[in-house]
Amino acid sequence: AQKVTQAQTEISVVEKEDVTLDCVYETRDTTYYLFWYKQPPSGELVFLIRRNSFDEQNEISGRYSWNFQKSTSSFNFTITASQVVDSAVYFCALRGISSGSARQLTFGSGTQLTVLP
Amino acid sequence: SAVISQKPSRDICQRGTSLTIQCQVDSQVTMMFWYRQQPGQSLTLIATANQGSEATYESGFVIDKFPISRPNLTFSTLTVSNMSPEDSSIYLCSVETGAGFRSEQYFGPGTRLTVT
Repeated sequence: AQKVTQAQTEISVVEKEDVTLDCVYETRDTTYYLFWYKQPPSGELVFLIRRNSFDEQNEISGRYSWNFQKSTSSFNFTITASQVVDSAVYFCALRGISSGSARQLTFGSGTQLTVLP
Repeated sequence: SAVISQKPSRDICQRGTSLTIQCQVDSQVTMMFWYRQQPGQSLTLIATANQGSEATYESGFVIDKFPISRPNLTFSTLTVSNMSPEDSSIYLCSVETGAGFRSEQYFGPGTRLTVT
């Protein structure tokens, strides 16, 4: 069975602060994918990143960075110099590729990030 | 990437009625998925819809309640049948693009359903 845990239900920061959203996962698959999605108040789900389990390089995209630690089964997401427009619910998700779990995204419960001006 | 549209974007329906949600993709895709997001909750997969075969439903979801059609590689519909207030949710269509380790998954804008 797969499980994704986002222990932080809500986070509030002041604009320009850095913030890290935690994601811990469980899977029996040796190969899997990890995802982060952003859901702003309008409701659409915006794809941010996909990371393969065999690629442990950290990734940076503008103000966003991701820290994948296979040893601790974590895939944390950091926003540097946060902005009000970053306010949204952020979901971490996992997809294994073994038979029976192929292509099913398992989502965490989400973290509501509020960036205050 | 993929551009996904859904119709309707929102609706208010009376209990006991049915609503069909349409999902259109701007490119041909093999895998399409339907998710439900209940108020304040995370996303739950309802079913996987492949063109030319019956949809595969997840535990807790049945075809009589959520019939799905997948007539071609760019279109799918989800019907929410005999609705009750518990069906009030956002319903999202999703597609997988690419293959293997380059595959990605995108979501439509969602259909906000309120059942009174």
